[in-house]
Amino acid sequence: AQSVTQPDIHITVSEGASLELRCNYSYGATPYLFWYVQSPGQGLQLLLKYFSGDTLVQGIKGFEAEFKRSQSSFNLRKPSVHWSDAAEYFCAVGPPPLSNFGNEKLTFGTGTRLTIIP
Amino acid sequence: EAGVAQSPRYKIIEKRQSVAFWCNPISGHATLYWYQQILGQGPKLLIQFQNNGVVDDSQLPKDRFSAERLKGVDSTLKIQPAKLEDSAVYLCASSLDASGTQYFGPGTRLTVL
Repeated sequence: AQSVTQPDIHITVSEGASLELRCNYSYGATPYLFWYVQSPGQGLQLLLKYFSGDTLVQGIKGFEAEFKRSQSSFNLRKPSVHWSDAAEYFCAVGPPPLSNFGNEKLTFGTGTRLTIIP
Repeated sequence: EAGVAQSPRYKIIEKRQSVAFWCNPISGHATLYWYQQILGQGPKLLIQFQNNGVVDDSQLPKDRFSAERLKGVDSTLKIQPAKLEDSAVYLCASSLDASGTQYFGPGTRLTVL
């Protein structure tokens, strides 16, 4: 069964510092990977996604993620965080596009809460 | 382009009462999802519709939860009767098709007292 692990429940970084949020996945085939962000009281907003091609993916708000098949990881990075980046971040894995994996669903990790120190 | 709309945004009820949530997906999106997000956890899929048919409801507690998507557009999720453990945020999402990127609404925060 597919699964996602986000080992860091809570991370605190200073404004302007770099950020890396970890995500490890388990999936039987080529995974379709996502990072979503959830601000307090809001729904989930898609930051970026990866299925194939360049393993370094650029997303919105200056975020990027790198797919490493050998490590089953899809870590999210940002070179310099802003106070507005404080939120909950979710990694997710799902079936590939145009697949017939009708019984497979988008599976989320438990999230990493990011706090920014001024 | 308008996003996924949900109402109400907040609801407080007592246990054993019933409650209903409404979702209007992005125009043209054939697939609609309802998720339950308990505090401190990631969203968990409750039910997935493709147009007005159910694709996956394996994690829906069918003894108390029901959902419908008449005419393949709007959807309602109902809980009857509610239990304390149903306190959560209920998220609706939609995608162009079953394998497309999912776009989420703002959610409905349910508190069961």
